[in-house]
Amino acid sequence: GAVVSQHPSWVICKSGTSVKIECRSLDFQATTMFWYRQFPKQSLMLMATSNEGSKATYEQGVEKDKFLINHASLTLSTLTVTSAHPEDSSFYICSAYATNEKLFFGSGTQLSVL
Amino acid sequence: TQLLEQSPQFLSIQEGENLTVYCNSSSVFSSLQWYRQEPGEGPVLLVTVVTGGEVKKLKRLTFQFGDARKDSSLHITAAQPGDTGLYLCAGFSNAGNNRKLIWGLGTSLAVNP
Repeated sequence: GAVVSQHPSWVICKSGTSVKIECRSLDFQATTMFWYRQFPKQSLMLMATSNEGSKATYEQGVEKDKFLINHASLTLSTLTVTSAHPEDSSFYICSAYATNEKLFFGSGTQLSVL
Repeated sequence: TQLLEQSPQFLSIQEGENLTVYCNSSSVFSSLQWYRQEPGEGPVLLVTVVTGGEVKKLKRLTFQFGDARKDSSLHITAAQPGDTGLYLCAGFSNAGNNRKLIWGLGTSLAVNP
């Protein structure tokens, strides 16, 4: 099946710094990628929809200047958490939309902001 | 607004028991998907149901899509500790120009040996 690679798997950073998370589709081209945030034992919360070559569409309540999304190629989307604070600590997951309504997920990134 | 109500939210059972997880909506979905997720990892797709009334089996897991394509269920027979995890249902929404998945709240399953 299709593979989506997400890096890093976990990151610890100081408050005020920025963190970049990468999401790559390894064996298919993904015109659309999604970024989610998830708290323990809870469902996924969609943050934004990333379309290759255009601006991301953010869900209500998600600060676009805080969570910068870039989808510069058909195989790579990045999420940058700018000026991270402890409340940004969470599990972030990307997914790439393939065909036939199939989504493939990265393995997630656990962000801890001290 | 399309919503998916998933129940139960938490379930703790003994090895060997059967269980059913439900996913209900007042809206019609073109397809419904079931995922399983383990801590620290991304969700893994178990099955996609597309046709109303469809039943799919994956070993001890049986998935059903309602005739009206508004609800789905996941039944696990003789649960094992390896079935422990978070189960998520999701349906594709055609609202507006953005095609995106609508997620249930998830069912956290613990199977005790």
